[in-house]
Amino acid sequence: EVQLGESGGGLVQPGGSLRLSCAASGFTFTSYSMNWVRQAPGKGLEWISYITVSSSTIYYADSVKGRFTVSRDNAKNSLYLQMNTLRAEDTAVYYCARGRREGLYYFDYWGQGTLVTVSS
Amino acid sequence: QLVLTQSPSASASLGASVKLTCTLSSGHSSYAIAWHQQQPEKGPRYLMKVNSDGSHNKGDGIPDRFSGSSSGAERYLTISSLQSEDEADYYCQTWGTGIGVFGGGTKLTVL
Repeated sequence: EVQLGESGGGLVQPGGSLRLSCAASGFTFTSYSMNWVRQAPGKGLEWISYITVSSSTIYYADSVKGRFTVSRDNAKNSLYLQMNTLRAEDTAVYYCARGRREGLYYFDYWGQGTLVTVSS
Repeated sequence: QLVLTQSPSASASLGASVKLTCTLSSGHSSYAIAWHQQQPEKGPRYLMKVNSDGSHNKGDGIPDRFSGSSSGAERYLTISSLQSEDEADYYCQTWGTGIGVFGGGTKLTVL
């Protein structure tokens, strides 16, 4: 069974940093690119980052570019999101999602999310 | 610019059918999309991918009540024999050049 489990969320002050983790199991982690998607309270889904298996290709949404860094450790079946210079508008539930390409690139499995609250 | 447009809300009665729409922006009518369901207080769940020709590939364990279709720049998700657990937010998603794109979501109410 494919499982994705996020951790590391919490309350952080504006300008602070936080590192999220996503533990993957039930599939061959080294066969899939991965993504981070977030959802602000009461709002829709927003894709924020993509990373290939080898980490050779990384994309970010403009809203986080230059502040967030995605990485992965294939030996640990883990995905990470280092978030710096956090702003109030970064408050959201953060999900990791497995990517799949079959013509379209889409997200075929999701985690349950971890809440990040940026507030003083 | 690649944009997906969804109606904010929809409603239908228990046991009835409903058809949700996702519209691709001009110039992108050949794109496939994926549908995701998000039940209250839960993470999203992949439902299916819908291609421009209307063919679709469902995710693991998705009931036959869920189906997809296409017409021009519109991609549809049809849910038949509505059940209470179908009350959820539904998002369409596609991929541009180095960027993931979501529609704004449709909140489905089962009456």
